Amino acid sequence: NAGVTQTPKFQVLKTGQSMTLQCAQDMNHNSMYWYRQDPGMGLRLIYYSASEGTTDKGEVPNGYNVSRLNKREFSLRLESAAPSQTSVYFCASKTSWAYEQYFGPGTRLTVT
Amino acid sequence: QQPVQSPQAVILREGEDAVINCSSSKALYSVHWYRQKHGEAPVFLMILLKGGEQKGHDKISASFNEKKQQSSLYLTASQLSYSGTYFCGTGGDNDYKLSFGAGTTVTVRA
Repeated sequence: NAGVTQTPKFQVLKTGQSMTLQCAQDMNHNSMYWYRQDPGMGLRLIYYSASEGTTDKGEVPNGYNVSRLNKREFSLRLESAAPSQTSVYFCASKTSWAYEQYFGPGTRLTVT
Repeated sequence: QQPVQSPQAVILREGEDAVINCSSSKALYSVHWYRQKHGEAPVFLMILLKGGEQKGHDKISASFNEKKQQSSLYLTASQLSYSGTYFCGTGGDNDYKLSFGAGTTVTVRA
């Protein structure tokens, strides 16, 4: 069991470039989440998917789009990266009948 | 709205105790506690539900005061392995979404 995997681990983008962060889980979880973590700000929810086929905005959705490709995969897209999107991005998942969220190892993104 | 955690940081010697507080301006249905070690992903510690009992995880326990909309995490007889940043996440009536506090960094020294 790999748990929650994220690719890439590190990425440097120039302002205006686009990219997609990939997340996959092999635990048959229904719900998946994307967070960003900035120093002094904790974890802030960008988007989440309560179940396959649904997505909803979190606290900080501006500048991002998501796709729940299937039950396993949930991707986060930055259409036109900005320096303010420099952050560590975490994907998480959980099952319907438990509260614990399982986090992936994170992607460190720098936008110059 | 993010819950407020205090203190921002605490330094302990092995064997000492500490309390981390988490408060919200909104009514709470649940409080979730996570710990993140440096460079790693957050890991779930415990959840406290409205009307539920105080929980424990090894020598780490927590309480939930619904009326005050607060939760406290108690680190008892701290060990070196307790070092890390502790986050509280608060849930409303939709348990799919959590709002996390800014975190409390705990450093335990020998």
